[in-house]
Amino acid sequence: QVQLVQSGPEVKKPGASVKVSCKASGYTFTNYGISWVRQAPGQGLEWMGWISGFNANTNYAQKFEDRVIMTTDTPTSTVYMELGSLRSDDTAVYYCARGADSSSSDFDYWGQGTLVSVSS
Amino acid sequence: DIQMTQSPSSLSASVGDTVTITCRASQGISSWLAWYQQKPGKAPKSLIYDTSTLQSGVPSRFSGSGFGTDFTLTISNLQPEDFATYYCQQYNSYPLTFGGGTKVEIK
Repeated sequence: QVQLVQSGPEVKKPGASVKVSCKASGYTFTNYGISWVRQAPGQGLEWMGWISGFNANTNYAQKFEDRVIMTTDTPTSTVYMELGSLRSDDTAVYYCARGADSSSSDFDYWGQGTLVSVSS
Repeated sequence: DIQMTQSPSSLSASVGDTVTITCRASQGISSWLAWYQQKPGKAPKSLIYDTSTLQSGVPSRFSGSGFGTDFTLTISNLQPEDFATYYCQQYNSYPLTFGGGTKVEIK
């Protein structure tokens, strides 16, 4: 069965960086892309960007493109999302979600979420 | 960016009711619309994609319709496990965007 398993919660200080992982299993990693979606406490869903599992091409939301980096490690079927210059309003649950590899798409499977807390 | 507007933001209903949630796109998105269900403390779950196609395992009491800018999610014969927050999402173009959510509460 398809699973996306994310790394554990993180506590960071303002200005620091955080790197969250998402390990995929149960499907051919290179046939799909992964998006990252975040949800601030009590708020809605916000798409951050997408990375191809096939060739690691990326598409970032303009809001994040100067401080987010998404990477893949194909041998371990793992996707990483690194967000830098953290601010208190980056406190949120970060989800990875599987989508199509070649175009914008919906998300059929989601990771369990990783809480990132930013506080001095 | 395409803005997605959901209404209502919340509603109260009873078990057995039929509820309808509306999602409006700020520009045409053809049929590139998905719906998700989220329960407190959990990741969203995919319900419907391409406006009206149910994900595998999703009960047939869920249905979706629409085209272009106006879409609906209908839940017939509301069950206790359906009380949750529902989000629409467009994937016509980047950046992918979500509606603000509709919370379905027990009356």
